[in-house]
Amino acid sequence: GQQLNQSPQSMFIQEGEDVSMNCTSSSIFNTWLWYKQDPGEGPVLLIALYKAGELTSNGRLTAQFGITRKDSFLNISASIPSDVGIYFCAGPSYGQNFVFGPGTRLSVLP
Amino acid sequence: GAGVSQSPSNKVTEKGKDVELRCDPISGHTALYWYRQSLGQGLEFLIYFQGNSAPDKSGLPSDRFSAERTGGSVSTLTIQRTQQEDSAVYLCASSLGGGGRVNNEQFFGPGTRLTVL
Repeated sequence: GQQLNQSPQSMFIQEGEDVSMNCTSSSIFNTWLWYKQDPGEGPVLLIALYKAGELTSNGRLTAQFGITRKDSFLNISASIPSDVGIYFCAGPSYGQNFVFGPGTRLSVLP
Repeated sequence: GAGVSQSPSNKVTEKGKDVELRCDPISGHTALYWYRQSLGQGLEFLIYFQGNSAPDKSGLPSDRFSAERTGGSVSTLTIQRTQQEDSAVYLCASSLGGGGRVNNEQFFGPGTRLTVL
């Protein structure tokens, strides 16, 4: 079945630094979703991408739908402590079902 | 409430016992999903309901797992004869459903943390 890979698996950054993470697939996706999960909570949708090449921002977050339709990138600018969490990418598996990547765990050091 | 709710928030059970986990989706959402998340892992799809269609059960790991959705709203995930490897957080999500971009965006509940001793 379809699988998503995310890199890096985890990252430790200093507060104020910019963050970049990506998600790749062996097959083409027509939708990319980025979620963030805080400890003890369910994932929350951050950004949704629906068109190859699309670049979408949500505050300090920017995500891009790769031209090949097999990857997507999420960038966080000027990180703050509340950015800590696990970031998941997701894409449609078939029908309206979705497959999630394994996540990138972000830690922000003060 | 306005969001997806799940109960209980925590469940501790003994190996071999049955458990039921409940999900209340957002009102008006026709699609409902169950996922399992083991410690430090990603989300593992379990089952998906869309309206009155037959559910997609392709993610259920064994026949000990089953789920129902009554009246197109509340859903119950049942695990029979629980095993220690069933210990995980079980997440429920709902979406508007019916196709289309925005209709597919899922909203998650806080999850039920299941511990099998």
